[in-house]
Amino acid sequence: DAGVIQSPRHEVTEMGQEVTLRCKLISGHNSLFWYRQTMMRGLELLIYFNNNVPIDDSGMPEDRFSAKMPNASFSTLKIQPSEPRDSAVYFCASSFQSSYNEQFFGPGTRLTVL
Amino acid sequence: AQSVTQLGSHVSVSEGALVLLRCNYSSSVPPYLFWYVQYPNQGLQLLLKYTSAATLVKGINGFEAEFKKSETSFHLTKPSAHMSDAAEYFCAVSDNDMRFGAGTRLTVKP
Repeated sequence: DAGVIQSPRHEVTEMGQEVTLRCKLISGHNSLFWYRQTMMRGLELLIYFNNNVPIDDSGMPEDRFSAKMPNASFSTLKIQPSEPRDSAVYFCASSFQSSYNEQFFGPGTRLTVL
Repeated sequence: AQSVTQLGSHVSVSEGALVLLRCNYSSSVPPYLFWYVQYPNQGLQLLLKYTSAATLVKGINGFEAEFKKSETSFHLTKPSAHMSDAAEYFCAVSDNDMRFGAGTRLTVKP
């Protein structure tokens, strides 16, 4: 299995631009988690889905952030408009049957907003 | 709600010395507990997990952790540190959803 796949690995954009991060789950997994990691705030859970349904989005910073699961194996995290304070590494992780089982993390997308 | 506290944001040991990374948890129900490792520019990888089968859990790369209910602890140990163990380590607790600690950066000196 290829593991969790994230794209792009690096993204540099200017303030105000729209950014879309992509994630492909491990085949057979039905839970998907988006995290943000910064030096200041550490690892933060943004949102998680179970069976394509958003379960907890309380970690989403504000309305500029949105996440979707158009199908069982794929998710996007969109930031519109982006701001410099959104600069971080964004990880997605997948698991089978919610969070009692281990989460498998992707390699992350390093986002820089100028 | 469950939470986890990692004592010490940075631990430094000499190569060959004992590694001890501390983790305390709070949970209203018997928890599942995890240790993850993050190498530079990579995602988190599972080291080991506790699911109530045995209190001493052995993981990859020679690491192990012991669940102590009376102390609400799940400390991570390795008898002899290797240079390749230098990384950031995260403790996590899950009883309904997973919560990660702030992480401990391990440095190994030659």
